[in-house]
Amino acid sequence: AQKVTQAQTEISVVEKEDVTLDCVYETRDTTYYLFWYKQPPSGELVFLIRRNSFDEQNEISGRYSWNFQKSTSSFNFTITASQVVDSAVYFCALSESNTGTASKLTFGTGTRLQVTL
Amino acid sequence: EPEVTQTPSHQVTQMGQEVILRCVPISNHLYFYWYRQILGQKVEFLVSFYNNEISEKSEIFDDQFSVERPDGSNFTLKIRSTKLEDSAMYFCASSDNRPYEQYFGPGTRLTVT
Repeated sequence: AQKVTQAQTEISVVEKEDVTLDCVYETRDTTYYLFWYKQPPSGELVFLIRRNSFDEQNEISGRYSWNFQKSTSSFNFTITASQVVDSAVYFCALSESNTGTASKLTFGTGTRLQVTL
Repeated sequence: EPEVTQTPSHQVTQMGQEVILRCVPISNHLYFYWYRQILGQKVEFLVSFYNNEISEKSEIFDDQFSVERPDGSNFTLKIRSTKLEDSAMYFCASSDNRPYEQYFGPGTRLTVT
């Protein structure tokens, strides 16, 4: 069975601080995908990134960066120079998937990030 | 850019009533999903649907729930007799032949009173 753990329930930072959101996953599959979603107060799920299990390269997109470590089953998300607009709940998710079969996403419990001035 | 749409955005219903949540997936997509998020909790998988049948369902998806793709464009979730604990945000998602690349709709907030 697959499982995603986000141990940080809530984080508060002051604007311009860097913040890292942790995600640890469990899966028995060798092929899987990891995701991060942002859920602002309006409630929709905003896709941020997808990573497959064969690609351990770290990724940077503007102020966002992701660190994928298979050895520790972690897929952490860092926001550099946080802004008030980053305030949201962030979900990490896992899909055990092969092309050709439907596949569910398993979400973590989310981390609420509060960025204040 | 194509997107998944859901109607209504908010539905209020009385306990025991039937409710149908509607989704229009992206037109060439093959796989369809429903997820649920109780307020303040995580997003949970309900059901996946492919080739006009259920591929997988979770323990949450009991006999009170059903899904249908009635006309080739809509994908619906029906709850036969709603309970207070069905109050949640319901997200529809769809994907093409890469089922890991799911596109989510904006959600329908269901309130059962």
